[in-house]
Amino acid sequence: NAGVMQNPRHLVRRRGQEARLRCSPMKGHSHVYWYRQLPEEGLKFMVYLQKENIIDESGMPKERFSAEFPKEGPSILRIQQVVRGDSAAYFCASSPERTAYGYTFGSGTRLTVV
Amino acid sequence: AQRVTQPEKLLSVFKGAPVELKCNYSYSGSPELFWYVQYSRQRLQLLLRHISRESIKGFTADLNKGETSFHLKKPFAQEEDSAMYYCALRGSGATNKLIFGTGTLLAVQP
Repeated sequence: NAGVMQNPRHLVRRRGQEARLRCSPMKGHSHVYWYRQLPEEGLKFMVYLQKENIIDESGMPKERFSAEFPKEGPSILRIQQVVRGDSAAYFCASSPERTAYGYTFGSGTRLTVV
Repeated sequence: AQRVTQPEKLLSVFKGAPVELKCNYSYSGSPELFWYVQYSRQRLQLLLRHISRESIKGFTADLNKGETSFHLKKPFAQEEDSAMYYCALRGSGATNKLIFGTGTLLAVQP
């Protein structure tokens, strides 16, 4: 089991471009979570998805950010028209269900907006 | 409001010294609390959960509801314990999200 796979590991975008971050959960996991870590801050929850459903998006910025977890393929976090303030590490995690064991995290994608 | 506070950004100790990483939480209800660890160049991984009352790599953490704390302790620090440690809270209800503290960097000196 390869664990939670995120790609790319590093992504550089110019202001105004789109960023697409991908997350493949662990085999058998149907729940995916996205977190963002800004410099000097802890991980902040963004969105919680199950297959084809957004369960909780209370941490998502109202504009430019969207997430999906299709029936087939990885979960995608999409940031449109990126700005410098979007530069951060974005972590994905997965779990088989609402488990007391916590999540399994990916290695993260570091987004740099220039 | 649900909140996790880790007051120390950095904790530096010598090998063999006791370690206590502080974590306080704010939550009305019965929280589930976790400690995650991130070693250099590795992904974040679960260290322990309060409900299991386990000891992992010599670390323990006791939930103190009166003080709303979940401090992480180890009697004798090892150099390989050097890492970033995050305390996290999950509330009850339909959401499955974790609320993280800002983390404490533990540096164990030889």
